[in-house]
Amino acid sequence: EAQVTQNPRYLITVTGKKLTVTCSQNMNHEYMSWYRQDPGLGLRQIYYSMNVEVTDKGDVPEGYKVSRKEKRNFPLILESPSPNQTSLYFCASSALGVDTQYFGPGTRLTVL
Amino acid sequence: GESVGLHLPTLSVQEGDNSIINCAYSNSASDYFIWYKQESGKGPQFIIDIRSNMDKRQGQRVTVLLNKTVKHLSLQIAATQPGDSAVYFCAEILNSGYSTLTFGKGTMLLVSP
Repeated sequence: EAQVTQNPRYLITVTGKKLTVTCSQNMNHEYMSWYRQDPGLGLRQIYYSMNVEVTDKGDVPEGYKVSRKEKRNFPLILESPSPNQTSLYFCASSALGVDTQYFGPGTRLTVL
Repeated sequence: GESVGLHLPTLSVQEGDNSIINCAYSNSASDYFIWYKQESGKGPQFIIDIRSNMDKRQGQRVTVLLNKTVKHLSLQIAATQPGDSAVYFCAEILNSGYSTLTFGKGTMLLVSP
């Protein structure tokens, strides 16, 4: 089954404790992206990757890092999480660009 | 996903009615538009798209209309069903490169049986 998976689905952590949210897709897609979703603000893009070893900032990259060492994986790293990073995070992938993205199920992160 | 619905405009309809969800986009240079559906607890799901050289596009039970003069998109859902209850987002892509997507804030559609 074609899918985008994220882990963990739910995470509660404390300020400053580094964490990684994994994202994996099994569709051999070139493009992958991370979004955060907040009430009243909609979905905002954090980072995206057009291909392996190619990443670029989206609209709200501050406080986040990403890497794309393999085509299927695109982890989101929070080196020092803060409460304003409490949000619902989505990973997405597509064969080419943003127009036909498949979204993962989401990761709900709470930073205390 | 339940917190996604907070602060959103809501459209309540009866099963069988036609629904129209509206979206104002921000950039007159946007070249491509997509409607997404997000059910509670799930990620957004592609519904239909339209390019800026078109005014209308139809899918199965859905129609998207684009009015570039006033920068307005609408999504029409025919014979709305309870399973259509979700948050609907429009998204725009600038023609400067198909690398980033800007989402609207969304509308919650509630369908009563």
